[in-house]
Amino acid sequence: AQSVSQHNHHVILSEAASLELGCNYSYGGTVNLFWYVQYPGQHLQLLLKYFSGDPLVKGIKGFEAEFIKSKFSFNLRKPSVQWSDTAEYFCAVRTYKYIFGTGTRLKVLA
Amino acid sequence: EAGVTQFPSHSVIEKGQTVTLRCDPISGHDNLYWYRRVMGKEIKFLLHFVKESKQDESGMPNNRFLAERTGGTYSTLKVQPAELEDSGVYFCASSQVGGAGTEAFFGQGTRLTVV
Repeated sequence: AQSVSQHNHHVILSEAASLELGCNYSYGGTVNLFWYVQYPGQHLQLLLKYFSGDPLVKGIKGFEAEFIKSKFSFNLRKPSVQWSDTAEYFCAVRTYKYIFGTGTRLKVLA
Repeated sequence: EAGVTQFPSHSVIEKGQTVTLRCDPISGHDNLYWYRRVMGKEIKFLLHFVKESKQDESGMPNNRFLAERTGGTYSTLKVQPAELEDSGVYFCASSQVGGAGTEAFFGQGTRLTVV
């Protein structure tokens, strides 16, 4: 069965710190991978997605993610976080439906 | 352009009562999905419509849940009778027909609390 694992459930960082959120998936076929973000009181928004080509994907707000097929991973990174990045982050794999991870709550201290 | 909208945003009902959640997808989006998140756990797939047809309802927990999409526009998700374990946030998403790389847009969710 398809599944997505996010290893960090809660992360607390100071502003300007670097961020890496882990995501591993379990699926044998061609995958499309996504990171969504949910800011407090808002709906889920797409941060970035990968479906083919360059495995290093750049998204909005300075986020990027790297698809490593051999490791079944799609980790999210940002070199320098801001207070406004405080949110919950979800990794997802999609065939025709999304399979989500449990989410990572990020808190950035000003 | 209006996004995916869900009504109500919050609902508190007693165990045994009935609740109906509504989702209005983005106009022109044939794909409509329902998801649920129980507190602290992952966002779980419930079902998928293409227009008015149910393509996959494998995630529906049991027969107390009934989803409809008459006319292929808005969708409703009815829980009858509600149980305590039905509490959670119910998300709706819509997308255009296309490959798996097609982005789905999510509503803000309905927070259902069964007491």
